[in-house]
Amino acid sequence: QVRLVESGGGVVQPGKSLRLSCAASGFTFRHNAIHWVRQAPGKGLEWLAIIWYDGSEKYYADSVKGRFTISRDNSNNVAFLQMNSLTVEDTAVYYCARDYLTTATTGGYLDYWGQGTLVIVSS
Amino acid sequence: EVVLTQSPATLSLSPGERATLSCRASQSVGRYLAWYQHKPGQGPRLLIYDASNRATGVPARFSGSGSGTDFTLTISSLEPEDFAIYYCQQRSNWPPLTFGGGTKVDIK
Repeated sequence: QVRLVESGGGVVQPGKSLRLSCAASGFTFRHNAIHWVRQAPGKGLEWLAIIWYDGSEKYYADSVKGRFTISRDNSNNVAFLQMNSLTVEDTAVYYCARDYLTTATTGGYLDYWGQGTLVIVSS
Repeated sequence: EVVLTQSPATLSLSPGERATLSCRASQSVGRYLAWYQHKPGQGPRLLIYDASNRATGVPARFSGSGSGTDFTLTISSLEPEDFAIYYCQQRSNWPPLTFGGGTKVDIK
């Protein structure tokens, strides 16, 4: 079955960096775009970024543009979110999710999600 | 950016009752709207996409309707496992993808 597992969360000081990983299994990873979404404590869901199935295009929310970088390694079925210049406002549970379309450059629905990894930015 | 407004914020109902959740968009999104169910400690689950299409494995008691700016998620008869937070999300005009603020369905 489709499985996404996030890792790499933890406690980090403001201004520091963290890299999250999203390990995928149960489907042909190179066929689907991957999204990152977060949920701050007591808040709703916030979409952060998408990387196309082949890595050719990446898009970001304004709140993270220039600080976060999404990437993927289709040989090892893993996606990443590099987070730099972290602030306390980045404290959240971070989810990776699969786009529902295969080998598409449209999409935009998220049909499978991981359980999330918690990032706490605190001095 | 398309802003999605969900109402009510909280819906208190008993098992077996009908739940009606609303999502309003700040501009037309056509039928490019999805609904997700989110339970604590889990990733969200896609329920409905393109306003009215049930995702794989979603029970028939979940249905979606609407187009343009007004959308509804209906749960015809609440089961105990349906008490959760529900989010709408649009893909009409993106990036960014945007989510509504959520409706919590809790037990009365």
